[in-house]
Amino acid sequence: QKEVEQDPGPLSVPEGAIVSLNCTYSNSAFQYFMWYRQYSRKGPELLMYTYSSGNKEDGRFTAQVDKSSKYISLFIRDSQPSDSATYLCAPGLDDKIIFGKGTRLHILP
Amino acid sequence: GAVVSQHPSWVICKSGTSVKIECRSLDFQATTMFWYRQFPKQSLMLMATSNEGSKATYEQGVEKDKFLINHASLTLSTLTVTSAHPEDSSFYICSGGSGAYEQYFGPGTRLTVT
Repeated sequence: QKEVEQDPGPLSVPEGAIVSLNCTYSNSAFQYFMWYRQYSRKGPELLMYTYSSGNKEDGRFTAQVDKSSKYISLFIRDSQPSDSATYLCAPGLDDKIIFGKGTRLHILP
Repeated sequence: GAVVSQHPSWVICKSGTSVKIECRSLDFQATTMFWYRQFPKQSLMLMATSNEGSKATYEQGVEKDKFLINHASLTLSTLTVTSAHPEDSSFYICSGGSGAYEQYFGPGTRLTVT
């Protein structure tokens, strides 16, 4: 089983829709959980990070962590064409982050 | 704030030659810098972690004699790919920060070895 798994997509949704991006992980020792956004041929940009189970909201973005299920989600409300990118989930342990392959998201105008 | 630059953004080199990639933190001091490699449609894979003034710590399977990392100052780290081969063609991304949970990524360097 891979350490971090994401559906690669692409996921296409109409502008304004709520987007749900999901990720599972296998190592129960992961201590913190991050979501990065990566535009084509660019470096990743940190969107959200959290250390515990539950929800964390920042603007249109909500990160949800369920440690008992080893399941991480990112919700995007009122999606915009500019949200079209690849979203990487990245749980971490000590000083190391393990990146998922990412889910490609297309927001259709 | 927290801007990391990389140079060059794209480099093409011939097989057998060496290529140096620079990573600079422009507005902060990066005590730790990370180097990643990303193949198309694959995840970022950590290659090595370096702390200023210390030798880099390489991940398992990464040849330290092939991928030379120098972190000479708090704002500059370099990755040199020695005797590059076509299989080294990839997207190389650096990041800097105070730790894995607080790192800022550069825009990446696309290396093509012909």
